[in-house]
Amino acid sequence: GQQLNQSPQSMFIQEGEDVSMNCTSSSIFNTWLWYKQDPGEGPVLLIALYKAGELTSNGRLTAQFGITRKDSFLNISASIPSDVGIYFCAGCHAGGTSYGKLTFGQGTILTVHP
Amino acid sequence: EAQVTQNPRYLITVTGKKLTVTCSQNMNHEYMSWYRQDPGLGLRQIYYSMNVEVTDKGDVPEGYKVSRKEKRNFPLILESPSPNQTSLYFCASSRRTDVATNEKLFFGSGTQLSVL
Repeated sequence: GQQLNQSPQSMFIQEGEDVSMNCTSSSIFNTWLWYKQDPGEGPVLLIALYKAGELTSNGRLTAQFGITRKDSFLNISASIPSDVGIYFCAGCHAGGTSYGKLTFGQGTILTVHP
Repeated sequence: EAQVTQNPRYLITVTGKKLTVTCSQNMNHEYMSWYRQDPGLGLRQIYYSMNVEVTDKGDVPEGYKVSRKEKRNFPLILESPSPNQTSLYFCASSRRTDVATNEKLFFGSGTQLSVL
């Protein structure tokens, strides 16, 4: 499948700080999704993006679909301890929107110190 | 409660001993898939199914088999497990096959498999 590069691999932050992570691809993507995985659980969808330039918020979370269609970022504002987990980007490259063609990034492990 | 149920949650086995990880969803979803999660590699798709009797290989299908004889069940079969199949496995399902329909992909809670 298409390769997604997600960074950073891990983050250690203090409660209250803002967080930013991103995902890049060498090819054009037509859908970007951001998931969060709590310890011991499966990933849960946070935000879905379908158009280049789209900026979408979900509470303290904001994600954007890059204009070039080759990247996306996720911001978390005013982090709290329950933000701890692994964040994954995922996307479908141009030419397909089937879940069968969904590619995941390597994940960003977020640790929040109280 | 709408959910994707995987069993078992934890499994330790030995090389070569056939095993099956079950996956069941109660939401009448068309699409089901299996992923494995490994540190630094994220989630990689093993097999997926668009509907009953329709299955396709994902990115890492070698050493795995699946079947979709009923809409609700999608078992993952390891005919002859090897240590490199030690991993965390997730089953997932969605009402529709198209990401753009805004139908969410629901994940099970995972199966941690260790092959000795």
